[in-house]
Amino acid sequence: GAVVSQHPSWVICKSGTSVKIECRSLDFQATTMFWYRQFPKQSLMLMATSNEGSKATYEQGVEKDKFLINHASLTLSTLTVTSAHPEDSSFYICSAGNQGLALSYEQYFGPGTRLTVT
Amino acid sequence: TQLLEQSPQFLSIQEGENLTVYCNSSSVFSSLQWYRQEPGEGPVLLVTVVTGGEVKKLKRLTFQFGDARKDSSLHITAAQPGDTGLYLCAGRVTGGGNKLTFGTGTQLKVEL
Repeated sequence: GAVVSQHPSWVICKSGTSVKIECRSLDFQATTMFWYRQFPKQSLMLMATSNEGSKATYEQGVEKDKFLINHASLTLSTLTVTSAHPEDSSFYICSAGNQGLALSYEQYFGPGTRLTVT
Repeated sequence: TQLLEQSPQFLSIQEGENLTVYCNSSSVFSSLQWYRQEPGEGPVLLVTVVTGGEVKKLKRLTFQFGDARKDSSLHITAAQPGDTGLYLCAGRVTGGGNKLTFGTGTQLKVEL
């Protein structure tokens, strides 16, 4: 149980184009989904938190107009990188969770999407 | 300023050796988790600790949560090549909701 998928797993796009990444919770309903980016040999940095049916909350320094997040259902959140540039190349990882017992709330991570902008 | 500092950053050891990874902060966490991540994949949860002073064991891995809930450690006994990976601690700051803050990471390589 608690499987999260991402699509695509790997994408190469040209500078100036937009790319959409999907994150799905396959066997549970996710009230909250999180988007992270990770540069090589570094840790995960939280970009934004999305709650189903409401606007995403972005971390400081993350441009909300560049990284569009939509959480239209309890099983799907999308991240669109608009007008991508080479510096946006990174590993993007989503996670999904559901509010249960407050102390045992856990996030389940997707396998990640490698974005390369040429 | 990184909220959660891990040490060491990199560790290369021989099979059979023991090691300890530390995760330190000046903030108090309501819960703390340890993950292992392999290249090109998402992090995989190893353990969650929620009580100050708590010790959890998972086969050769021993996790400890500090009494004040500001730090944690991961000890691996008799490391094996299959333990190679990026180890990440991540915590929820008390009063910070469900948002996870990740540590700086420890890259472990276990050689034959």
